[in-house]
Amino acid sequence: GAGVSQTPSNKVTEKGKYVELRCDPISGHTALYWYRQSLGQGPEFLIYFQGTGAADDSGLPNDRFFAVRPEGSVSTLKIQRTERGDSAVYLCASSFGGRAADTQYFGPGTRLTVL
Amino acid sequence: LAKTTQPISMDSYEGQEVNITCSHNNIATNDYITWYQQFPSQGPRFIIQGYKTKVTNEVASLFIPADRKSSTLSLPRVSLSDTAVYYCLVGEQTGANNLFFGTGTRLTVIP
Repeated sequence: GAGVSQTPSNKVTEKGKYVELRCDPISGHTALYWYRQSLGQGPEFLIYFQGTGAADDSGLPNDRFFAVRPEGSVSTLKIQRTERGDSAVYLCASSFGGRAADTQYFGPGTRLTVL
Repeated sequence: LAKTTQPISMDSYEGQEVNITCSHNNIATNDYITWYQQFPSQGPRFIIQGYKTKVTNEVASLFIPADRKSSTLSLPRVSLSDTAVYYCLVGEQTGANNLFFGTGTRLTVIP
């Protein structure tokens, strides 16, 4: 079946604007993760969903970041009042279970550039 | 406090065996050790996972000593296409601390 998909692949926006990044997980995967990756760094955990609920959002850097997964499938990461420091690749992953030991399947990422 | 530490980079010639070690001194009893590989402009990809002793699959082997405070990913006879960043994750339950990728090890395979 299809893997994890993310749209858009690239997003350029201006400082202060609002952006939405979408993730389509693998069908049947109950767990969904968002990460942020800056150049030369590993993925940085942002938030994890089990079904429709955010089970752990401790990685969100501040209240400008918010994510939803209303039907337990597709998820949207929302960033308000974007700042230049938000520029990064935003990765989404899904897994069948919800443990760190469960294999995560990653999407290709969305490269966000804030001018 | 980081859960894992790895060398930042390694170089190897084609055809050699490469061993990348990850230190995880505070590993918990139920924690598994999972390795991911990431190519440029792609998301990480699962390579191998283990709990203790040795695990082998078609891609790599994972060696875990009895105290489990470290693990070694072994790539047999690397090729240029193995040039990538390799991350080890340690954890069992989901949570920010268990989903720590760190900076990984950048492996460069030289012709």
